[in-house]
Amino acid sequence: EAQVTQNPRYLITVTGKKLTVTCSQNMNHEYMSWYRQDPGLGLRQIYYSMNVEVTDKGDVPEGYKVSRKEKRNFPLILESPSPNQTSLYFCASSTSGGNNEQFFGPGTRLTVL
Amino acid sequence: GQQLNQSPQSMFIQEGEDVSMNCTSSSIFNTWLWYKQDPGEGPVLLIALYKAGELTSNGRLTAQFGITRKDSFLNISASIPSDVGIYFCAGQAIFNAGGTSYGKLTFGQGTILTVHP
Repeated sequence: EAQVTQNPRYLITVTGKKLTVTCSQNMNHEYMSWYRQDPGLGLRQIYYSMNVEVTDKGDVPEGYKVSRKEKRNFPLILESPSPNQTSLYFCASSTSGGNNEQFFGPGTRLTVL
Repeated sequence: GQQLNQSPQSMFIQEGEDVSMNCTSSSIFNTWLWYKQDPGEGPVLLIALYKAGELTSNGRLTAQFGITRKDSFLNISASIPSDVGIYFCAGQAIFNAGGTSYGKLTFGQGTILTVHP
Protein backbone atom coordinates (compact mmCIF):
# COMPACT_ATOMS: atom_id res chain seq x y z
CA GLU A 1 0.00 0.00 0.00
CA ALA A 2 1.34 3.41 -1.01
CA GLN A 3 1.73 5.47 2.11
CA VAL A 4 3.63 7.96 4.21
CA THR A 5 4.41 6.77 7.73
CA GLN A 6 5.46 8.79 10.74
CA ASN A 7 6.79 7.75 14.12
CA PRO A 8 6.01 8.27 16.85
CA ARG A 9 2.35 9.21 16.52
CA TYR A 10 2.31 10.78 19.97
CA LEU A 11 5.16 12.15 22.04
CA ILE A 12 5.36 14.00 25.32
CA THR A 13 8.77 15.35 26.21
CA VAL A 14 10.48 18.05 28.27
CA THR A 15 12.16 21.25 27.25
CA GLY A 16 15.66 20.77 25.89
CA LYS A 17 15.57 17.02 25.33
CA LYS A 18 16.55 16.30 21.73
CA LEU A 19 14.06 14.31 19.70
CA THR A 20 13.59 13.00 16.19
CA VAL A 21 10.36 12.34 14.35
CA THR A 22 10.80 9.92 11.49
CA CYS A 23 9.03 10.03 8.15
CA SER A 24 9.16 7.38 5.46
CA GLN A 25 7.41 7.00 2.11
CA ASN A 26 7.25 3.99 -0.18
CA MET A 27 6.20 5.76 -3.38
CA ASN A 28 9.68 6.67 -4.64
CA HIS A 29 8.80 10.35 -4.37
CA GLU A 30 11.54 12.94 -4.83
CA TYR A 31 9.85 15.74 -2.91
CA MET A 32 9.19 15.57 0.83
CA SER A 33 8.08 18.20 3.27
CA TRP A 34 7.29 18.82 6.94
CA TYR A 35 4.38 20.92 8.20
CA ARG A 36 3.10 21.91 11.59
CA GLN A 37 -0.60 22.40 12.24
CA ASP A 38 -1.80 24.82 14.90
CA PRO A 39 -5.39 25.89 15.65
CA GLY A 40 -6.45 28.86 13.57
CA LEU A 41 -3.23 28.81 11.53
CA GLY A 42 -3.72 25.86 9.20
CA LEU A 43 -0.62 23.99 8.09
CA ARG A 44 2.67 25.83 7.81
CA GLN A 45 5.71 24.44 6.04
CA ILE A 46 8.81 23.87 8.18
CA TYR A 47 11.32 22.38 5.75
CA TYR A 48 11.21 20.67 2.40
CA SER A 49 13.48 18.48 0.31
CA MET A 50 13.59 18.38 -3.45
CA ASN A 51 15.63 15.19 -3.51
CA VAL A 52 18.39 13.34 -1.66
CA GLU A 53 20.83 15.74 -0.01
CA VAL A 54 18.77 18.76 -1.14
CA THR A 55 16.83 20.53 1.62
CA ASP A 56 15.63 24.06 2.20
CA LYS A 57 13.73 26.14 4.74
CA GLY A 58 10.01 26.58 4.60
CA ASP A 59 8.02 29.31 6.30
CA VAL A 60 8.70 28.37 9.95
CA PRO A 61 12.11 26.61 10.13
CA GLU A 62 13.39 28.07 13.42
CA GLY A 63 14.19 25.38 15.99
CA TYR A 64 14.10 22.50 13.51
CA LYS A 65 16.58 20.54 11.43
CA VAL A 66 16.10 17.94 8.73
CA SER A 67 18.20 15.54 6.74
CA ARG A 68 17.65 13.61 3.53
CA LYS A 69 20.27 10.90 3.23
CA GLU A 70 17.94 8.46 1.49
CA LYS A 71 15.07 9.07 -0.88
CA ARG A 72 12.46 7.38 1.28
CA ASN A 73 13.29 8.99 4.66
CA PHE A 74 13.04 12.58 5.84
CA PRO A 75 13.45 12.87 9.63
CA LEU A 76 12.58 16.03 11.54
CA ILE A 77 14.99 16.87 14.36
CA LEU A 78 14.34 19.14 17.32
CA GLU A 79 17.73 19.69 18.93
CA SER A 80 16.36 21.56 21.95
CA PRO A 81 12.56 21.47 21.98
CA SER A 82 10.65 24.32 23.58
CA PRO A 83 6.96 24.55 24.60
CA ASN A 84 6.13 26.69 21.56
CA GLN A 85 6.94 23.64 19.42
CA THR A 86 3.99 21.79 20.90
CA SER A 87 1.98 21.08 17.79
CA LEU A 88 0.68 18.49 15.33
CA TYR A 89 3.29 17.64 12.72
CA PHE A 90 2.70 16.24 9.26
CA CYS A 91 5.12 14.81 6.75
CA ALA A 92 4.16 14.83 3.07
CA SER A 93 5.65 13.56 -0.18
CA SER A 94 5.06 14.00 -3.87
CA THR A 95 6.66 13.40 -7.21
CA SER A 96 8.87 16.19 -8.47
CA GLY A 97 7.48 18.79 -10.80
CA GLY A 98 4.70 21.32 -10.50
CA ASN A 99 0.99 20.72 -10.02
CA ASN A 100 1.63 17.50 -8.15
CA GLU A 101 -0.46 16.04 -5.34
CA GLN A 102 1.16 15.84 -1.93
CA PHE A 103 0.37 12.75 0.15
CA PHE A 104 0.31 13.30 3.88
CA GLY A 105 1.28 11.05 6.74
CA PRO A 106 -1.05 10.44 9.72
CA GLY A 107 0.56 13.09 11.90
CA THR A 108 2.64 13.23 15.08
CA ARG A 109 1.21 15.03 18.08
CA LEU A 110 4.08 16.52 20.10
CA THR A 111 3.79 18.06 23.54
CA VAL A 112 6.79 19.83 25.03
CA LEU A 113 6.48 20.50 28.75
CA GLY B 1 5.10 34.27 3.18
CA GLN B 2 1.83 34.18 1.28
CA GLN B 3 -1.34 33.95 3.34
CA LEU B 4 -4.77 32.63 2.63
CA ASN B 5 -7.95 33.70 4.36
CA GLN B 6 -10.42 30.86 4.69
CA SER B 7 -13.98 31.30 5.90
CA PRO B 8 -15.96 30.42 7.77
CA GLN B 9 -13.79 29.11 10.60
CA SER B 10 -16.49 26.67 11.67
CA MET B 11 -19.94 25.52 10.62
CA PHE B 12 -22.66 23.61 12.43
CA ILE B 13 -25.29 22.27 10.07
CA GLN B 14 -28.06 19.73 9.88
CA GLU B 15 -27.71 16.62 7.79
CA GLY B 16 -29.01 17.28 4.28
CA GLU B 17 -28.05 20.95 4.19
CA ASP B 18 -25.64 22.38 1.64
CA VAL B 19 -22.32 23.85 2.73
CA SER B 20 -20.16 26.55 1.20
CA MET B 21 -16.69 27.72 2.18
CA ASN B 22 -14.16 29.91 0.44
CA CYS B 23 -10.60 31.12 0.39
CA THR B 24 -9.08 34.37 -0.74
CA SER B 25 -5.48 35.43 -1.21
CA SER B 26 -3.54 38.57 -1.95
CA SER B 27 -1.35 36.54 -4.31
CA ILE B 28 -2.16 34.49 -7.37
CA PHE B 29 -1.70 30.74 -7.46
CA ASN B 30 -1.12 28.23 -10.25
CA THR B 31 -3.34 25.63 -8.61
CA TRP B 32 -6.03 25.59 -5.94
CA LEU B 33 -6.52 22.47 -3.86
CA TRP B 34 -9.11 21.43 -1.31
CA TYR B 35 -8.20 18.92 1.41
CA LYS B 36 -10.22 17.20 4.10
CA GLN B 37 -8.77 16.10 7.42
CA ASP B 38 -10.54 13.47 9.47
CA PRO B 39 -9.83 13.26 13.21
CA GLY B 40 -6.45 11.64 13.86
CA GLU B 41 -5.51 11.59 10.19
CA GLY B 42 -3.53 13.65 7.74
CA PRO B 43 -5.17 15.81 5.08
CA VAL B 44 -6.49 14.00 2.01
CA LEU B 45 -6.91 15.70 -1.35
CA LEU B 46 -10.55 16.19 -2.42
CA ILE B 47 -10.35 18.37 -5.50
CA ALA B 48 -7.59 20.02 -7.52
CA LEU B 49 -8.19 23.01 -9.79
CA TYR B 50 -5.65 23.94 -12.43
CA LYS B 51 -7.15 26.73 -14.54
CA ALA B 52 -8.64 30.11 -13.70
CA GLY B 53 -12.42 29.86 -13.94
CA GLU B 54 -12.38 26.05 -13.75
CA LEU B 55 -15.39 24.45 -12.09
CA THR B 56 -14.87 20.85 -10.98
CA SER B 57 -17.13 18.33 -9.28
CA ASN B 58 -16.35 15.20 -7.32
CA GLY B 59 -19.57 13.54 -6.23
CA ARG B 60 -21.36 15.95 -3.90
CA LEU B 61 -18.40 18.32 -3.92
CA THR B 62 -18.02 21.24 -6.31
CA ALA B 63 -15.12 23.65 -6.35
CA GLN B 64 -14.16 26.61 -8.49
CA PHE B 65 -10.87 28.35 -9.28
CA GLY B 66 -11.54 32.08 -9.28
CA ILE B 67 -11.02 34.09 -12.44
CA THR B 68 -8.47 36.32 -10.73
CA ARG B 69 -6.55 33.22 -9.51
CA LYS B 70 -6.74 34.67 -6.01
CA ASP B 71 -9.75 32.81 -4.69
CA SER B 72 -11.61 29.53 -4.65
CA PHE B 73 -14.77 28.08 -3.15
CA LEU B 74 -15.91 24.61 -2.17
CA ASN B 75 -19.55 23.54 -1.99
CA ILE B 76 -20.83 20.34 -0.42
CA SER B 77 -24.37 19.41 -1.30
CA ALA B 78 -26.75 17.33 0.80
CA SER B 79 -24.32 16.93 3.71
CA ILE B 80 -24.09 13.63 5.58
CA PRO B 81 -22.56 12.83 9.00
CA SER B 82 -19.32 11.50 7.49
CA ASP B 83 -18.65 14.95 6.00
CA VAL B 84 -17.54 15.98 9.49
CA GLY B 85 -13.93 17.11 9.60
CA ILE B 86 -11.63 20.03 8.89
CA TYR B 87 -11.52 21.34 5.33
CA PHE B 88 -8.45 23.17 4.11
CA CYS B 89 -7.92 25.16 0.98
CA ALA B 90 -4.39 25.35 -0.35
CA GLY B 91 -2.87 27.48 -3.05
CA GLN B 92 0.03 26.05 -4.95
CA ALA B 93 2.71 28.24 -6.47
CA ILE B 94 5.37 26.84 -8.75
CA PHE B 95 9.00 27.54 -7.96
CA ASN B 96 12.13 26.62 -9.86
CA ALA B 97 15.29 25.58 -8.08
CA GLY B 98 18.34 23.92 -9.53
CA GLY B 99 16.57 23.26 -12.82
CA THR B 100 13.67 21.47 -11.14
CA SER B 101 10.22 22.90 -10.62
CA TYR B 102 8.12 22.05 -7.61
CA GLY B 103 4.88 23.18 -6.07
CA LYS B 104 4.80 24.96 -2.70
CA LEU B 105 1.54 24.77 -0.81
CA THR B 106 0.14 27.59 1.29
CA PHE B 107 -2.79 26.50 3.45
CA GLY B 108 -5.82 28.34 4.69
CA GLN B 109 -6.71 28.28 8.38
CA GLY B 110 -9.27 25.52 7.92
CA THR B 111 -13.05 25.23 8.28
CA ILE B 112 -14.31 22.89 11.00
CA LEU B 113 -17.51 21.24 9.80
CA THR B 114 -19.96 19.62 12.19
CA VAL B 115 -23.01 17.82 10.80
CA HIS B 116 -25.89 17.01 13.12
CA PRO B 117 -27.90 13.91 12.15
